[in-house]
Amino acid sequence: RKEVEQDPGPFNVPEGATVAFNCTYSNSASQSFFWYRQDCRKEPKLLMSVYSSGNEDGRFTAQLNRASQYISLLIRDSKLSDSATYLCVVNGGYGQNFVFGPGTRLSVLP
Amino acid sequence: DAGITQSPRHKVTETGTPVTLRCHQTENHRYMYWYRQDPGHGLRLIHYSYGVKDTDKGEVSDGYSVSRSKTEDFLLTLESATSSQTSVYFCAISDRGPADTQYFGPGTRLTVL
Repeated sequence: RKEVEQDPGPFNVPEGATVAFNCTYSNSASQSFFWYRQDCRKEPKLLMSVYSSGNEDGRFTAQLNRASQYISLLIRDSKLSDSATYLCVVNGGYGQNFVFGPGTRLSVLP
Repeated sequence: DAGITQSPRHKVTETGTPVTLRCHQTENHRYMYWYRQDPGHGLRLIHYSYGVKDTDKGEVSDGYSVSRSKTEDFLLTLESATSSQTSVYFCAISDRGPADTQYFGPGTRLTVL
């Protein structure tokens, strides 16, 4: 089993739609969780950190379920500019390095 | 945007030649990382550094070496490039440790013929 798994995608959604991405991780000792976005042929950029209590940033909501070792990202009112690949990132344990999921590609269609 | 640059941005080389990629930061962050990204794989850690002259191996370190003689520079060397090292290489930095937010450079696209 891979350490970090994500929905395989791609997701093709119309503008204004709500879309949810799921991610599971295998290391129960993981302590840091993030969502990054990566545009085509560009570097990954931090979208948001994920906290145990869940967190929201505008149209984006992230949730963490430690018991199920599951992270989610919800995007409401999708914009064309949201088209990108979304990377789930987990650290490998206390003081350990990042482990990246393979990413889920989102295309928002006009 | 974090002050991270990578050079060169693109390189084509031949099998068996040495190649050095450079990462330069202006953020004075202690931790620096080298990743490679290939289709079908997530980003994979090659080597990382936790201070000047302090480096350690990552998940896919075979065939690569690194050096860090100054806080701001982290070099990745392919001693004898192979076609399997054709990839996009990203440098990243973080301030407080490997579990802290990482900021990425623009990447180097390397092709080994």
